[in-house]
Parts: sequence; C-alpha cells; structure tokens
Amino acid sequence: DIQMTQSPSSLSASIGGRVTITCRASQAITESLNWYQQKAGKAPKLLIYAASSLQGGVPSRFSGSGSGTDFTLTINSLQPEDSATYYCQQSYISPYTFGQGTKLEI
Amino acid sequence: QVQLQESGPGLVKPSETLSLTCTVSGGSVSSDSYYWSWIRQPPGKGLEWLAHIFYIGNASYTTYNPSLKSRVTISVDTSKNQFSLKVNSVTAADTAVYYCARRHIAVPGYPLDYWGQGTLVTVSS
Repeated sequence: DIQMTQSPSSLSASIGGRVTITCRASQAITESLNWYQQKAGKAPKLLIYAASSLQGGVPSRFSGSGSGTDFTLTINSLQPEDSATYYCQQSYISPYTFGQGTKLEI
Repeated sequence: QVQLQESGPGLVKPSETLSLTCTVSGGSVSSDSYYWSWIRQPPGKGLEWLAHIFYIGNASYTTYNPSLKSRVTISVDTSKNQFSLKVNSVTAADTAVYYCARRHIAVPGYPLDYWGQGTLVTVSS
C-alpha cells in the first residue's frame, strides 16, 4: 500500500494568516492527490483534486501544488471557519489511502 | 443536486454481518462517470477507504481494500438507485462512522466529490 504522511499533525494559526500543510507519498503518484476538509461531526468535503485543481464552490484562498511524492495545501487569509482537520488522499492505485490528518485551529 | 444517504443498523453484535445501504438522489448509480465508494472512520481516527463499485452495461466491477481481506462485499441495485456494503464477522475494530461517497472518474484525480453524512455503526454485544 502507498503510505501518505502529513505534517504537521496539528497547528494553530491566526485569522488572516497563512498555513501550509504537506503530504508525502511513499512512492510516486503523479498528480493523483486530493485534499479534503472535515469539520467536527461532519463528512469530509472535497477541496482540491488532481493536486492543484480547486473544487467548485471552494474559496480561492485554498490552493494545492505538487507532483510525484510531495504535495502541499496552502490556505491564505485564514478565516474562523477554516478550523477543521485536513486530509490528503492518493487516488493513484488501490487501496486509495489517506494521510493521518492535520488538525488546524484558528 | 447530488445527495447520498446511508442507512442501516447502528448496532451490530460481534461475529455478525454489518449491512449498510446508500441511497443516491440527483444522479444515477448506472452512470459511466462514477464509482460508488465506501469509506469508514473509527471514532477519533482517520479515514479508511473500503471499496468501490462501477456499474455499466448490466455489469458491475468491484475493487476492495485488501486489509479487510474477504470480509467485505459491495453491490448495486439500479432499480432503487442504491449501493450497499456488507462486512462479515465483525469485531469491535469495525466500530466506525461509515460514509458512502461518489468517486468522479471524469475529472483528473478521480476525487470523492460527494459524500453522505455518515452513519455510526457500533459493534458490541
């Protein structure tokens, strides 16, 4: 199985600030990497697909980059509603593994 | 608007079979653009992809997470626009929130773009 490792596991940031979450795959996965946001008690929500494409309806302060094994999710102009856990997921090969999650507190 | 809704028992006894159904509205499980997926999340833990199914031309194609070995079965009922999950021989380790989701294969990355709200299944005697 492909292992997905996120860092950091948790972080705290201020309103208006910027954070970067990284996701590393144990083998190359081209750009087959998606990012999800999960708020407490809710289902995950797709933010970014194919490493850098913004899902419709997601604010433009969210962005993604990377290819191969190293990926990043960047959130600019942090808002209180960005408090959540963020997961990366590789869609390159089954089983489609997720990172362990990064909990963001605003 | 696409909506997915999980249903099934919230409590299952150890060694029995967990059975869940996902009802899809606003889209068809027969579409050639989507795989229909199950993901679970143990309390306080991360996400685990379990299986997906693709239905086209009166045939269904399934992929399973090997970690669950042969305990998992996914199926589709096109007449009801539903798909289902069965997990055999459950233990406490199968206690989790179970999500159904749509995997969009007509876009790069094949993301899980619509999710159900999730249903908690507890394995306990």
